[in-house]
Amino acid sequence: AQSVSQHNHHVILSEAASLELGCNYSYGGTVNLFWYVQYPGQHLQLLLKYFSGDPLVKGIKGFEAEFIKSKFSFNLRKPSVQWSDTAEYFCAVNAPSQGAQKLVFGQGTRLTINP
Amino acid sequence: DAGITQSPRHKVTETGTPVTLRCHQTENHRYMYWYRQDPGHGLRLIHYSYGVKDTDKGEVSDGYSVSRSKTEDFLLTLESATSSQTSVYFCAITQGTKMNPMNTEAFFGQGTRLTVV
Repeated sequence: AQSVSQHNHHVILSEAASLELGCNYSYGGTVNLFWYVQYPGQHLQLLLKYFSGDPLVKGIKGFEAEFIKSKFSFNLRKPSVQWSDTAEYFCAVNAPSQGAQKLVFGQGTRLTINP
Repeated sequence: DAGITQSPRHKVTETGTPVTLRCHQTENHRYMYWYRQDPGHGLRLIHYSYGVKDTDKGEVSDGYSVSRSKTEDFLLTLESATSSQTSVYFCAITQGTKMNPMNTEAFFGQGTRLTVV
């Protein structure tokens, strides 16, 4: 079955540390890729997205992600995290060949930043 | 923020009772979705709609039904609520195109926390 996997369920870092959250998917063909963030008590908000073109995508708040097609991966990175980055992060994939209307989410990674 | 309103925001209901959650959008977006969010599972698609009266099932549709009689409203109904349906429910919308409806950003509502006792 097609799926989206986020390897880390809970990541704890100190401020100014570098961050990388993994995301792998199992769909072949063209994919649209997203990272969403959910701050405590709030709804999901888009961090960044990849549809085509440059595989290194820059998003809001200093986040970036790299699409590596050969590895079916779309890892999220930030060089220096802040306390305000504490949130849950979701990778999501849309594979038009599998059902154009469906956005499939990973299990989420809870990120805790210690001041 | 996109104009998406979910109601109610919180609800406690008894097992076996029917429950309807409402999602209302003011963006005139074509596609609407209902997800449930549970710890360890991320968000899972329940049902989605690609137009008025056009709906389809997602991966966890058992026990749920939906209706969309107007572009702006997408209703999710639990015909007979069970404890396993205790969850946070999110509505989402996208504009997209018919060929690639997800080729755009999905906007989410604030969520409805449903507890079935």
